[in-house]
Amino acid sequence: DADVTQTPRNRITKTGKRIMLECSQTKGHDRMYWYRQDPGLGLRLIYYSFDVKDINKGEISDGYSVSRQAQAKFSLSLESAIPNQTALYFCATSETGGAFNEQFFGPGTRLTVL
Amino acid sequence: QKEVEQDPGPLSVPEGAIVSLNCTYSNSAFQYFMWYRQYSRKGPELLMYTYSSGNKEDGRFTAQVDKSSKYISLFIRDSQPSDSATYLCAMSANFNKFYFGSGTKLNVKP
Repeated sequence: DADVTQTPRNRITKTGKRIMLECSQTKGHDRMYWYRQDPGLGLRLIYYSFDVKDINKGEISDGYSVSRQAQAKFSLSLESAIPNQTALYFCATSETGGAFNEQFFGPGTRLTVL
Repeated sequence: QKEVEQDPGPLSVPEGAIVSLNCTYSNSAFQYFMWYRQYSRKGPELLMYTYSSGNKEDGRFTAQVDKSSKYISLFIRDSQPSDSATYLCAMSANFNKFYFGSGTKLNVKP
């Protein structure tokens, strides 16, 4: 039972194409995050959203945009893909409040830009 | 300077060995320290977390935090082939944003 799902799981595209990666969650969490993972660089935060009307840039937001369509859905777009955006992309969710807010990750989308 | 530094490895040990994984950080505001385990082609999963300084033990795993040195460690006792994965440290000041290390790839040989 996948609580955080990502589509597509793999995508190959060409430079200049518009790409959308989608994330859905059934955990009922308010907070959602998009990260990219590159070898040797770890996970870097692209955008995060604390609720439908609250969207924030992360450390590497240039070249990306996001849309929070509902509490359960958070999409990441590459308006004009470039080769250095080739990476593994992860969506994550977490609760708000509480003593500790664990992040739950989706299975990832492997994106290749040629 | 990166917020969190982690040796990428890879680290290869025989089954039964004690494994030590480490991270250093620069932001003294970090209060929550986490270790995630990531198997190949999977998303990271939380393994352990600690708040502030001190030790925490969970079965074969022990997490240590030394805030004075800005240094955290994860120890794995009696390592098993099933422990082979990439281990990522992560830190946060207040759960608004999380900062991850680059991950250490561990291979435990039978």
